[in-house]
Amino acid sequence: AQKVTQAQTEISVVEKEDVTLDCVYETRDTTYYLFWYKQPPSGELVFLIRRNSFDEQNEISGRYSWNFQKSTSSFNFTITASQVVDSAVYFCALSEVYTGANSKLTFGKGITLSVRP
Amino acid sequence: ETGVTQTPRHLVMGMTNKKSLKCEQHLGHNAMYWYKQSAKKPLELMFVYNFKEQTENNSVPSRFSPECPNSSHLFLHLHTLQPEDSALYLCASSQEGDLAEPNTEAFFGQGTRLTVV
Repeated sequence: AQKVTQAQTEISVVEKEDVTLDCVYETRDTTYYLFWYKQPPSGELVFLIRRNSFDEQNEISGRYSWNFQKSTSSFNFTITASQVVDSAVYFCALSEVYTGANSKLTFGKGITLSVRP
Repeated sequence: ETGVTQTPRHLVMGMTNKKSLKCEQHLGHNAMYWYKQSAKKPLELMFVYNFKEQTENNSVPSRFSPECPNSSHLFLHLHTLQPEDSALYLCASSQEGDLAEPNTEAFFGQGTRLTVV
């Protein structure tokens, strides 16, 4: 069974601090995809990144960076120099891949990040 | 403006009422999804439609009845709900039903906050 664990439930930082959001996953599949989504107060989930299981290269996009470690089944997300607008709930998700193309996302419980001015 | 629009944004209904949630996407996507987001629980996939055909029913009680008349519209018909059904219901769409396809990610609406009294 697929499982995504986000052990941190709430994190509060002061603006300009760096913050890392942890994500640990479980799957028996050798091919899978990992995602991070951001849910601002308005409610919709905003796609941030997708990473496939064969690509362990870390990725950086502006102030965001992701560290994928298959050996520890982790896909952690770091925000550098956090800003108030980063305040949101962040979800890590894992996608099962079905033959015939009907995958679905398994989400973690989410981490509520509050960035104080 | 999100490409996935959900109405209403908020809904309060009694346990004997019948109501419907509506989702519309203007992204030309072929797959649409209903997710349930309860407090302190991971997002739960409810239904998947691929090219208007239901391809996934994640053991959802029959008091939730989805309808997908075309690739752009998805409804969730509600009847005789229970208070524990109170949650944020999120609609999503993706180009294909296979999230493993390149450049395929799910786009989410802002959700309908449902309260059952």
